[in-house]
Amino acid sequence: DAMVIQNPRYQVTQFGKPVTLSCSQTLNHNVMYWYQQKSSQAPKLLFHYYDKDFNNEADTPDNFQSRRPNTSFCFLDIRSPGLGDAAMYLCATSGRFNQPQHFGDGTRLSIL
Amino acid sequence: DQQVKQNSPSLSVQEGRISILNCDYTNSMFDYFLWYKKYPAEGPTFLISISSIKDKNEDGRFTVFLNKSAKHLSLHIVPSQPGDSAVYFCAASAGNAGNMLTFGGGTRLMVKP
Repeated sequence: DAMVIQNPRYQVTQFGKPVTLSCSQTLNHNVMYWYQQKSSQAPKLLFHYYDKDFNNEADTPDNFQSRRPNTSFCFLDIRSPGLGDAAMYLCATSGRFNQPQHFGDGTRLSIL
Repeated sequence: DQQVKQNSPSLSVQEGRISILNCDYTNSMFDYFLWYKKYPAEGPTFLISISSIKDKNEDGRFTVFLNKSAKHLSLHIVPSQPGDSAVYFCAASAGNAGNMLTFGGGTRLMVKP
């Protein structure tokens, strides 16, 4: 089945230690998104790629970076995680902007 | 400023009855609305959508109603089943904003057998 896969499902890192979350898709979708979701809150868009074009949301901290080396893969890098970055990180894809987004199961990030 | 609001954090319904989940929005530029369903430890799954040119869209047991003048949409599930128990997120997008989704905070639906 075509899908969006996020690895790992659970990630623990130390305060200030860089961490990378990965997302892959077999849907061949043009657009890939990264969301942050904290407990009982709405998913918050961090950034997205349309093909290779990167678009950062205005309020996404500089601490968060992303890479998309090819159509299938997209990475979220957190350079110096703080305690406030503990959250569920969701990756999503869509063929075009006005199509429903398909989500992965998320990576839950904990900061020690 | 929350542009998409789901004012009921939870809803409990008896199996077989109707579930009605509500969503309000403030941005009049929103022209596409979606509902997502989320089970614990899984990502949101697309359920149903509606364009602003319509006021109703139906897919099996799920119907979404859009009232543009009230900036309100609702999801009706009839009949409700225990497997429908999940968190439901309303989302909206505006064509002139690159169709980025803005999500509501979610409503937890519990369908009791």
